[in-house]
Amino acid sequence: EAQVTQNPRYLITVTGKKLTVTCSQNMNHEYMSWYRQDPGLGLRQIYYSMNVEVTDKGDVPEGYKVSRKEKRNFPLILESPSPNQTSLYFCASSFRHRGDEKLFFGSGTQLSVL
Amino acid sequence: QQPVQSPQAVILREGEDAVINCSSSKALYSVHWYRQKHGEAPVFLMILLKGGEQKGHEKISASFNEKKQQSSLYLTASQLSYSGTYFCGTFRGGTSYGKLTFGQGTILTVHP
Repeated sequence: EAQVTQNPRYLITVTGKKLTVTCSQNMNHEYMSWYRQDPGLGLRQIYYSMNVEVTDKGDVPEGYKVSRKEKRNFPLILESPSPNQTSLYFCASSFRHRGDEKLFFGSGTQLSVL
Repeated sequence: QQPVQSPQAVILREGEDAVINCSSSKALYSVHWYRQKHGEAPVFLMILLKGGEQKGHEKISASFNEKKQQSSLYLTASQLSYSGTYFCGTFRGGTSYGKLTFGQGTILTVHP
């Protein structure tokens, strides 16, 4: 089954404790991206990757890191989480086709930073 | 820069129609529409490309006015299953493949 798998589904942590949210897709998609969703602000892109070892900042990259060492995986790293990073996070993947890119989203990670 | 959606929320009775608008201050190559049900991930509805025709999905259709940098989503004869948050996403084209920017969302509630 074609899917984007995110883990964990829920995460509670404390300020400053490094964490990683994993994302994996089995559709051989070139593009992967991370979004955060906050009430009233919609989905805001954090980082995106166009292929292995190629990443670029989205609209809200501060406080986040990503890496794309393999095509299927695109982990999101918070090296020193802060309470303002409490949010619902979605990973997404898509194939490239002249801008006609349908995003497939993971099921989300609800992060709480205390 | 996020596209702006309007209205922020809509309440309907089954069978009524609704229009959700999406407006950008930048020239667009394509507009995407997604629906998110409560507690779930967003799900793709449709894409409208520059120079393309109006597209439809069941009783949901959309248009894209390139000159005005606007798109509208039309929900006809709404059903309970249409409830959710609708997001438009805009893509400016060029070398920024992968950079899809979403609006703040429109909450649609359909009552029996």
